[in-house]
Amino acid sequence: KAGVTQTPRYLIKTRGQQVTLSCSPISGHRSVSWYQQTPGQGLQFLFEYFSETQRNKGNFPGRFSGRQFSNSRSEMNVSTLELGDSALYLCASSQDSVNTEAFFGQGTRLTVV
Amino acid sequence: KNEVEQSPQNLTAQEGEFITINCSYSVGISALHWLQQHPGGGIVSLFMLSSGKKKHGRLIATINIQEKHSSLHITASHPRDSAVYICAVALSYNTDKLIFGTGTRLQVFP
Repeated sequence: KAGVTQTPRYLIKTRGQQVTLSCSPISGHRSVSWYQQTPGQGLQFLFEYFSETQRNKGNFPGRFSGRQFSNSRSEMNVSTLELGDSALYLCASSQDSVNTEAFFGQGTRLTVV
Repeated sequence: KNEVEQSPQNLTAQEGEFITINCSYSVGISALHWLQQHPGGGIVSLFMLSSGKKKHGRLIATINIQEKHSSLHITASHPRDSAVYICAVALSYNTDKLIFGTGTRLQVFP
């Protein structure tokens, strides 16, 4: 069974640009959640999608958005990038919710310059 | 105060030592996860617990729901166990997200 795939692995963007990150969950998993990891704040929840619907959203500005497609693949978008958005972005795949096992991708390391 | 607290923050050990990492939480949970993160970032899920104890190889995880406490034990530690170990909980009233501890950085020396 293939694991959780995140693309790209590394990304360098300039302030003010926008970026789209992708997460392909494990086959059969319908829940995808996104997390931001920074040295100062640790791991923080961004949002969670289940069957194309956003079920929950963390405390992040509206510049952070996401969506999920009918094949459960998910994308997150950050618009008007700021230096503070530099982080490792991780997605987790679960069958129904993180009440069950969660499988993480390798992450996308975003650097904003 | 963080909802999920881990101790210690940093841990060094000699190869072969028995290691314990602790996680305490202050909220009602439906599940607790132990995760391992190596340099480079990828996270591996080690255990998911809602009660009792689980064992996988040299790793053992326990949880005491009444005391709101979980421990991760590594027996016969090895340098390849060097990583950051993270405790994360799924809230009982909101199972759509995980709340994370700050992690324990473990270094095992030969």
